[in-house]
Amino acid sequence: GAGVSQSPRYKVAKRGQDVALRCDPISGHVSLFWYQQALGQGPEFLTYFQNEAQLDKSGLPSDRFFAERPEGSVSTLKIQRTQQEDSAVYLCASSVDLLAGYPSYEQYFGPGTRLTVT
Amino acid sequence: AQTVTQSQPEMSVQEAETVTLSCTYDTSESDYYLFWYKQPPSRQMILVIRQEAYKQQNATENRFSVNFQKAAKSFSLKISDSQLGDAAMYFCAYRGIIQGAQKLVFGQGTRLTINP
Repeated sequence: GAGVSQSPRYKVAKRGQDVALRCDPISGHVSLFWYQQALGQGPEFLTYFQNEAQLDKSGLPSDRFFAERPEGSVSTLKIQRTQQEDSAVYLCASSVDLLAGYPSYEQYFGPGTRLTVT
Repeated sequence: AQTVTQSQPEMSVQEAETVTLSCTYDTSESDYYLFWYKQPPSRQMILVIRQEAYKQQNATENRFSVNFQKAAKSFSLKISDSQLGDAAMYFCAYRGIIQGAQKLVFGQGTRLTINP
């Protein structure tokens, strides 16, 4: 089926604006991850959902960042009062967790949303 | 906390030759997974190869193979017969196996250039 999709692909926000980034995981994938990738750096973990439960939000940099996955499928990452240091690519990944009864550890990534805060 | 280090910010290789990308990591866990991901300019992260720490045999996927040295906490990627399409950022990543530790910890990346 289709891969992980993210929208918008590009977002320009003025400092202080709120933004919402959407992730559509692969159908049936239980786990969903958000990562932040600064220019020229490796992705850094933000938060993790198993179905609708947010099991780990230890990577969220401040209380301006909020993520949800209310029905266990689509997820939204919201950033309030954006700052210039929030400029980055935000990657979403999903994982099936179990494949034919065996653990499956591959995470499938979306194309990312490039956020630029001016 | 686990850390992953890639000490080569950039590498270049002639087309059809072999190149090795280095990765070291630090962990107190005895079992885990290691990955190499490729990120072309289009940004889509693609899994290249995976290694389970409990397996002594090095993983291979066609032209891609790893040299996994568990005691040294080293995990290098060898690309044989390099092709122009191999040009990309390559990231080494670590993943624990305990429940709730599914996040990937990435290195800083190595930009690989293929010279025709």
